[in-house]
Amino acid sequence: RKEVEQDPGPFNVPEGATVAFNCTYSNSASQSFFWYRQDCRKEPKLLMSVYSSGNEDGRFTAQLNRASQYISLLIRDSKLSDSATYLCVVSWWGGGNKLTFGTGTQLKVEL
Amino acid sequence: SQTIHQWPATLVQPVGSPLSLECTVEGTSNPNLYWYRQAAGRGLQLLFYSVGIGQISSEVPQNLSASRPQDRQFILSSKKLLLSDSGFYLCAWSTVANYGYTFGSGTRLTVV
Repeated sequence: RKEVEQDPGPFNVPEGATVAFNCTYSNSASQSFFWYRQDCRKEPKLLMSVYSSGNEDGRFTAQLNRASQYISLLIRDSKLSDSATYLCVVSWWGGGNKLTFGTGTQLKVEL
Repeated sequence: SQTIHQWPATLVQPVGSPLSLECTVEGTSNPNLYWYRQAAGRGLQLLFYSVGIGQISSEVPQNLSASRPQDRQFILSSKKLLLSDSGFYLCAWSTVANYGYTFGSGTRLTVV
């Protein structure tokens, strides 16, 4: 079983749509959670951290369910510029702050 | 502000040739440093990480090595490249666990 699992997609959605990505992780000791965005042939960039109570940043909402070991990212009012691969990322203290990345979910926002 | 520099951006090397990729961080002290590789169409794989000068932890057995000769310098090397070493190599740094990593712009290596 992979440590971090994501649906690879692609998710093809029209502009303005709401889209949700899901992610599961296997290590119950995981303590930090993030969503990264990676544009084609570019480095990943931190989109947002994910907190236990859930958090929102503009059109983006992240949720964490520790009991189910499940993380989600919701994007509202999708823009063409949201087209990218979204990486689910977890870390735990015992791992020396090593982040483990999912393989990513590809999003394509279309006119 | 903190910045991370990684070079070269693109590299084409023949099988059996040596490799040296360099990464430097500015604007911070004693960062944790990481080398990741992303093969075509695949996820990021952690290769090495370092929590201090001269300290290197290897995550997977492979044809590569890493060194940290200075606090903010991290080097990835190979004595003889294999075709399977092709990929997108990314250096990253962090100082506070809960704030994730910042990546360099990466080196796209093609071994021919």
